[in-house]
Amino acid sequence: KAGVTQTPRYLIKTRGQQVTLSCSPISGHRSVSWYQQTPGQGLQFLFEYFSETQRNKGNFPGRFSGRQFSNSRSEMNVSTLELGDSALYLCASSLDRLADYYNEQFFGPGTRLTVL
Amino acid sequence: QKEVEQNSGPLSVPEGAIASLNCTYSDRVSQSFFWYRQYSGKSPELIMSIYSNGDKEDGRFTAQLNKASQYVSLLIRDSQPSDSATYLCAVNVGNSGYSTLTFGKGTMLLVSP
Repeated sequence: KAGVTQTPRYLIKTRGQQVTLSCSPISGHRSVSWYQQTPGQGLQFLFEYFSETQRNKGNFPGRFSGRQFSNSRSEMNVSTLELGDSALYLCASSLDRLADYYNEQFFGPGTRLTVL
Repeated sequence: QKEVEQNSGPLSVPEGAIASLNCTYSDRVSQSFFWYRQYSGKSPELIMSIYSNGDKEDGRFTAQLNKASQYVSLLIRDSQPSDSATYLCAVNVGNSGYSTLTFGKGTMLLVSP
C-alpha cells in the first residue's frame, strides 16, 4: 500500500507570495492533518480535515488555510508569506475509525518551504 | 494548555545497551500515546502506540504507560547505531474517532559503536 505523498518536496518563495501544498493520504484513510515543524518550536498542529470539513484547528493565523477534497486529498495554502513561515510542512493521514482510540497517524515526506 | 515534555538530550548510549526515553504530559484526559522516530532531514515514522497502562512490546521496543503519573516511556533494547535519531512523544486527547496530536520537542538519541 502506498504511503502518504506530498508535493512539492521543496519550495522557495519570497515574502508576500502565497503557496499551495498538496497531500494525498494512504488509500482508505479519511482524516488528514497538517503540521509545521521548525527547529525552535518543534511539531505544531495546523489543522485536521475529515470528509471535506475542518474539524480541528491549531493556533495559527488566518493566513494558513486548507481544504479537503472528496477523494480525501488535501491542500494547504499560506498567503502573504513571512520569513518565519520557513519550515517543514508535514501531512499525516489516519483511518479515523470511530471505535478505535489509536487513530495512528502516518506522515508523508513533507514539503520544505524556504521564504526569502 | 496541553503540554508534552521530553528531555532534549542528547542521550548517548553504547551499542548493545538499553536506551530509555521519557515523556510527561499535562492533560489528564489524554487517551492514546505514540512514539515516533525522526532521522535528520526525514519525516517522523511511527514506531509504537499505547493506550492502556502497563507495557507494550514490539521487537526491541517497549512502550510503558502510567496514566496516574502522566508518564510514558520508550525502552530500546540492544541499541544499534541505526537507532540514532530524534524520538518524538505524541499525545492524542480526542475521543470518538477524531483528535489532534500534541508533540514533545523530541529527545535526540546517539548510539555509539
